[in-house]
Amino acid sequence: DAGVTQSPTHLIKTRGQQVTLRCSPISGHKSVSWYQQVLGQGPQFIFQYYEKEERGRGNFPDRFSARQFPNYSSELNVNALLLGDSALYLCASSLAVIEGTEAFFGQGTRLTVV
Amino acid sequence: AQSVTQLDSQVPVFEEAPVELRCNYSSSVSVYLFWYVQYPNQGLQLLLKYLSGSTLVKGINGFEAEFNKSQTSFHLRKPSVHISDTAVYLCAVSVPGSSNTGKLIFGQGTTLQVKP
Repeated sequence: DAGVTQSPTHLIKTRGQQVTLRCSPISGHKSVSWYQQVLGQGPQFIFQYYEKEERGRGNFPDRFSARQFPNYSSELNVNALLLGDSALYLCASSLAVIEGTEAFFGQGTRLTVV
Repeated sequence: AQSVTQLDSQVPVFEEAPVELRCNYSSSVSVYLFWYVQYPNQGLQLLLKYLSGSTLVKGINGFEAEFNKSQTSFHLRKPSVHISDTAVYLCAVSVPGSSNTGKLIFGQGTTLQVKP
């Protein structure tokens, strides 16, 4: 079975631009979460979606938004990019929003803002 | 609020030697505990988790961890490492019953460097 897939794998954007990152969860998984991992640090939670509804939000500005589609895939949008948004963006999927359920991570999208 | 501290940013060790990667957490409520491994250019892979029960947890690839509630620690151990264990190891917690169910709070990560 295919794991969590993210696209693109790398991209470079200019300050002030907007970016959309995409994630396809493992087949049968209905929950998708997004994390930001700045170089040298652990991942930071951004959003969690389940059945197309937002179920959790981290401490990120409103420039960050996300949505989940009927096929459970998800997009993360970041507006008005700042240099500090440069990071590895990780998507994780899980069967449901059940405490302790294992989250499966994709390889991530490396975003560089110049 | 919860936080996770991984005391060592880098741990160099020779092949076939034992290793312990330290993780301490801060929380006023009970938490679930996880260890993930991140290989270069790959996503995170779950090594093991503690939800309840026995405080000694065995995971994949020969790793194990012990939950110590009094010391709020969850250290990861392996009796004999291989070159292929070179990676970043991430300790994480989640809070059962919270409004952000499923949210993982990660430590800064520890890079394990296995030398031949």
